[in-house]
Amino acid sequence: QITLNESGPTLVKPTQTLTLTCTFSGFSLSTHGVGVGWIRQPPGKALEWLGLTYWDDDKRYSPSLKNRLTITRGTSNNQVVLTLSNVDPVDTATYYCVHRTAASGTSAQLDYWGQGTLVTVSS
Amino acid sequence: QSVLTQPPSVSGTPGQRVTISCSGSDRNIGKSAVNWYRHFPGTAPKLLIYSNDERPSGVPDRVSASRSGTSASLAINGLQSEDEADYYCAAWDEDLSAVLFGGGTKLSVL
Repeated sequence: QITLNESGPTLVKPTQTLTLTCTFSGFSLSTHGVGVGWIRQPPGKALEWLGLTYWDDDKRYSPSLKNRLTITRGTSNNQVVLTLSNVDPVDTATYYCVHRTAASGTSAQLDYWGQGTLVTVSS
Repeated sequence: QSVLTQPPSVSGTPGQRVTISCSGSDRNIGKSAVNWYRHFPGTAPKLLIYSNDERPSGVPDRVSASRSGTSASLAINGLQSEDEADYYCAAWDEDLSAVLFGGGTKLSVL
């Protein structure tokens, strides 16, 4: 059974760096075709794709966040880390970790989601 | 502003059929498979449709979808109160090398 869990701070000050960890189980990020990514949803707004890291360590990022966002593999084989620098109150959102299925021909097919973690950016 | 355009809201009465549209371009929907997600606020979104018209296991066949050119649509037949949720389309954009989500559609069951 595939599960993903997001962890990290619930409150971050403006200009600081946000670091979130996705800890997953039930699959290997080394399996061909698999990806782990991040989606966020600001309060009352739509889902926004942030980025994805693939089984071969290739990465793709949202053009609007590319300069501030990094997605890397964690110290454990079952972790992916999101780092967002110079945060602003507009970065306040629920952040979701997602699994991209190996069988998919598109990175928009996200078949498992974490429960999400609400991060507030405020001084 | 989302590049994939959805109506902000749709509504229907129990038993009715409703459709939700998703309009894109030949850089995304015109070239890549469309996926649909159902989101109950406060919970994790769920993959509802993949590869334009395929249903994951557990999704009832009263839910269907299609793609034509640069547009896609989601249809729900026999509307039920538990269908009340937010619905999002998503597709890969070849030019941006990124996943795009639509702005979301709130389905209300009257």
